[in-house]
Amino acid sequence: EVQLVESGGGLVQPGGSLRLSCAASGFTFSSYWMSWVRQAPGKGLEWVANIKQDGSEKYYVDSVKGRFTISRDNAKNSLYLQMNSLRAEDTAVYYCARYPYPVGDAFDIWGQGTMVTVSS
Amino acid sequence: EIVLTQSPATLSLSPGERATLSCRASQSVSSYLAWYQQKPGQAPRLLIYDASNRATGIPARFSGSGSGTDFTLTISSLEPEDFAVYYCQQRSNWPPSWTFGQGTKVEIK
Repeated sequence: EVQLVESGGGLVQPGGSLRLSCAASGFTFSSYWMSWVRQAPGKGLEWVANIKQDGSEKYYVDSVKGRFTISRDNAKNSLYLQMNSLRAEDTAVYYCARYPYPVGDAFDIWGQGTMVTVSS
Repeated sequence: EIVLTQSPATLSLSPGERATLSCRASQSVSSYLAWYQQKPGQAPRLLIYDASNRATGIPARFSGSGSGTDFTLTISSLEPEDFAVYYCQQRSNWPPSWTFGQGTKVEIK
């Protein structure tokens, strides 16, 4: 079964850091672009970051550039999001998603999400 | 930055009725347009990619159309499990970025 499982969310103070993880199974992880997408409480979806199969290309939404870093470990079938200098507006459910570009330009598999709350 | 505008914000329909959801882009996105369904407390699910291709396991009552700036998701006959929020999403070529519309809620009338 193709599956993505996120972990690492929690409560953090403004200015703090958190590292999210996403464990992939059921497919050849190293063959796919991977992504992080977030959803603030009661709001819509917002793409956060993408990373190429070998990690050589990374893209971020402007609001997290310089604060968040996406990375992956293909040997461990894992995706990561290092989040620094966190702000209240980063509070959201963070989803890990598979991006099968160029075969289908969309996020085709999603994890269940992990909640990040930034509050003092 | 390309902005996606979905309409209507809410669609009130009865089971068995046809649902037509619109997504308009602020500039052409070619056919790089996808549709997702999200139910409360669940992750989004991909329905349509590249404007008109159904994702694996998606029922034939879901169809997508359009190109350029105007796109439509049609649900031919609403089933009880189809009442949810629907999002469109596009990819910009350069700089690479991915954006979602604000969503359309399909609710039971």
